[in-house]
Amino acid sequence: SQQGEEDPQALSIQEGENATMNCSYKTSINNLQWYRQNSGRGLVHLILIRSNEREKHSGRLRVTLDTSKKSSSLLITASRAADTASYFCAFTGGGNKLTFGTGTQLKVEL
Amino acid sequence: SAVISQKPSRDICQRGTSLTIQCQVDSQVTMMFWYRQQPGQSLTLIATANQGSEATYESGFVIDKFPISRPNLTFSTLTVSNMSPEDSSIYLCSVVWALNTEAFFGQGTRLTVV
Repeated sequence: SQQGEEDPQALSIQEGENATMNCSYKTSINNLQWYRQNSGRGLVHLILIRSNEREKHSGRLRVTLDTSKKSSSLLITASRAADTASYFCAFTGGGNKLTFGTGTQLKVEL
Repeated sequence: SAVISQKPSRDICQRGTSLTIQCQVDSQVTMMFWYRQQPGQSLTLIATANQGSEATYESGFVIDKFPISRPNLTFSTLTVSNMSPEDSSIYLCSVVWALNTEAFFGQGTRLTVV
């Protein structure tokens, strides 16, 4: 399967701590995107990083991409209870079809 | 940003019946896709909805089971035909405005087949 792998599968932290989740893939990519999903609803787009980029920031989010290792990480700093959700990486090769990772369930406790 | 409206948001259906899910975007989009998320799983691409022509299906998905229409650049439908309990999933439409840019998703349709 060409599906991306994410780790950890589940992560539980205290509010104010940082959360890091990792994504690995096997193919060449054009871009890699991160999404959040709350309670099985629709996906919220968080950030896109292109294959020629190494790092991007958006608010409390930092994404890195290492194409030599075929891996990406998402860091959420100073987490809040509202960050509790499932997080998915997804990547494209040619075209815009997305292949998703397996997902990380993040729980932020008060 | 554009609004992606997906209907219905949820439904409970009898096995053997069919359900049509609608995806409406408030601006013209280049590409539209349909994904399935089985319970507790990640998302899998069903097909690319092509405007004015037959959809392009991924391995494991066939037109007879998941007929798709896209009559214009803002609207698409996915039908889940002859449903069985194994079709219970969340179905999501996704749109992209330009190559190598962000994909945005509708709120999903949670389908339960009994």
